Amino acid sequence: KAGVTQTPRYLIKTRGQQVTLSCSPISGHRSVSWYQQTPGQGLQFLFEYFSETQRNKGNFPGRFSGRQFSNSRSEMNVSTLELGDSALYLCASSLGGTSGGETQYFGPGTRLLVL
Amino acid sequence: DAKTTQPPSMDCAEGRAANLPCNHSTISGNEYVYWYRQIHSQGPQYIIHGLKNNETNEMASLIITEDRKSSTLILPHATLRDTAVYYCIVRPHLESYNQGGKLIFGQGTELSVKP
Repeated sequence: KAGVTQTPRYLIKTRGQQVTLSCSPISGHRSVSWYQQTPGQGLQFLFEYFSETQRNKGNFPGRFSGRQFSNSRSEMNVSTLELGDSALYLCASSLGGTSGGETQYFGPGTRLLVL
Repeated sequence: DAKTTQPPSMDCAEGRAANLPCNHSTISGNEYVYWYRQIHSQGPQYIIHGLKNNETNEMASLIITEDRKSSTLILPHATLRDTAVYYCIVRPHLESYNQGGKLIFGQGTELSVKP
């Protein structure tokens, strides 16, 4: 079974631009979560989508948004990029149930550099 | 905030067992203990999880104390490829779909396996 895939793997943008990152979950998984990893803040939860609805949200500004399609693929968008948005953006998928024993599997990440 | 405490770094000799401790003294009865690892700049890799009983899979063993306030991840025969940051995460059982799921990462333990 193929794992979580993320595209693109690397991206360079300039301040003020916007960017869209894509995530394809493991087949059969209905939940997609997004995380941001920076050297200063570590791994932080951005939001989670399940059945095309945002189910959970972290503490990030409104410039960070996402969506999920009917095939469970997800995109996240960052508008008006700032230098501090340079990070590794990780996507994780899971079946989407309510059990705490449900495992999230991560993709390889998209490395975003904002100049 | 992360609900776990881990030593920032540990060393282990190649071929020996690596025992990584985690303190989660405020864990609730329905919360699971998860372990992930992250090899430099890659996506976190799921290792193992447990609720009360000790668990073992092809990668590692998880020992949870009887009072569930701490746990130990054991890599039985560490190799150089096990050098990574190891994260211990406490995750609740979700009561409803609306709660969603998110992982709260701490700083983890940087394990260095040396020849």
